[in-house]
Amino acid sequence: AQSVTQLGSHVSVSEGALVLLRCNYSSSVPPYLFWYVQYPNQGLQLLLKYTSAATLVKGINGFEAEFKKSETSFHLTKPSAHMSDAAEYFCAVRLNRGNNDMRFGAGTRLTVKP
Amino acid sequence: DTAVSQTPKYLVTQMGNDKSIKCEQNLGHDTMYWYKQDSKKFLKIMFSYNNKELIINETVPNRFSPKSPDKAHLNLHINSLELGDSAVYFCASSQAGGGYNEQFFGPGTRLTVL
Repeated sequence: AQSVTQLGSHVSVSEGALVLLRCNYSSSVPPYLFWYVQYPNQGLQLLLKYTSAATLVKGINGFEAEFKKSETSFHLTKPSAHMSDAAEYFCAVRLNRGNNDMRFGAGTRLTVKP
Repeated sequence: DTAVSQTPKYLVTQMGNDKSIKCEQNLGHDTMYWYKQDSKKFLKIMFSYNNKELIINETVPNRFSPKSPDKAHLNLHINSLELGDSAVYFCASSQAGGGYNEQFFGPGTRLTVL
């Protein structure tokens, strides 16, 4: 079975501060991992994905995430928050199965204070 | 050039009615999905189709019936709507094959059942 847990349903940072959104996964086989962002009243947009090529993955809008097998984690970071980063962020895990099943975490709402 | 489109964007209806939501993707993908996002932003997969064939059918009331006339379209028909069906419904698509293929999401359809 596969699942993903996002620690903290709501994270608040000041503009210019470090953003850290936590994601832990459980999977019996090496997973593929994804981070998506959802802006208000919009669909989900891919930020980045881990596909076993490199453990540190760089995505759009200055975000990056590091796959740590020993910690079963795939935390999302950004060195300096911008007001436009305020959104809902979802971590997702998927196995290499034919049915392309993807499981999403519960989401973390990021608030950026001026 | 919209990749995954859904119509309508908003749908307000009375309990007991039957309604449909349409989805189209122009990405040439083989697999399409329907997700339900509740008021707490939790995202749950409902159905997955691969080349017009049903692959995933999660525990969803049989009032919900997906229809895939061709691999570019996946429509969702809902019979006898209930208050609890109120949510945002997202269509998504991805290339079949490896689990590393991300899903592309439509803008969502906000369904309100009165």
